[in-house]
Amino acid sequence: GAVVSQHPSRVICKSGTSVKIECRSLDFQATTMFWYRQFPKQSLMLMATSNEGSKATYEQGVEKDKFLINHASLTLSTLTVTSAHPEDSSFYICSASSETRESPQYFGPGTRLLVL
Amino acid sequence: QKEVEQNSGPLSVPEGAIASLNCTYSDRGSQSFFWYRQYSGKSPELIMFIYSNGDKEDGRFTAQLNKASQYVSLLIRDSQPSDSATYLCAASDSNYQLIWGAGTKLIIKP
Repeated sequence: GAVVSQHPSRVICKSGTSVKIECRSLDFQATTMFWYRQFPKQSLMLMATSNEGSKATYEQGVEKDKFLINHASLTLSTLTVTSAHPEDSSFYICSASSETRESPQYFGPGTRLLVL
Repeated sequence: QKEVEQNSGPLSVPEGAIASLNCTYSDRGSQSFFWYRQYSGKSPELIMFIYSNGDKEDGRFTAQLNKASQYVSLLIRDSQPSDSATYLCAASDSNYQLIWGAGTKLIIKP
C-alpha cells in the first residue's frame, strides 16, 4: 500500500512559538493532501484540503492565518501552527490521495503536539 | 448536509465469531466507500474500499455495498483480539473529499 510519512511524531513547545509539521507521500504522487486534528476520544476533524501549487481550502472555523498550509510539491505538504497556545495541543494527522475514484486517502502516522 | 452514520458501540464480539459493522450514508452521489481501522492513539489505517454494489472480499474482511439502500457494511470473520479498534466508515463525495462517520468501537473478547 501507499506510504505517507509525517515528521515530527511528537513535539512539545512553549506557548507563543510556531511549529511546523511535514507530511510526505513516499511512493506516490499526491495531488491532494488533507490535514486533520483529533482530540482525545473524539472523531477526526478535517481542518483543510490542499492541492499542489494552489492555496489550501480551510473548513469552517479553522483560522487560515493560524494554521498555515503549504503544498509545494506532489509529495510534500506542511502545516505550521503559528503562535501556538495550550488549546492547540492535539493529534494532527495528514493524509494524501492521488484523487482518482479508486484512490483512498492514505494517512500519515500523526503528530502529537503539546503546547505548554 | 452530507452525513455518514455509524453506531458508536461498543460492539462486543467473542473471539472467533463474525463481527458485523454497519454504516449508512445520505448522499446518493457518493461513489466510493472506505473502511478504516484506528487503534487508540494511532492514525487511521485503510482496511478496504468498495465502489460497486455487492461484496468485496480481502482475507478475513468482506465489504458489502448496497447503493439502493445507501448502506455499507464490513464483516470480519474469525475475529481476533487484535481486531479490537474503532472502525471508521467514509464516503467519498464528488470532490474526492471523505465524509466520515463517527466510528464504531469494536471489542473482541477472548
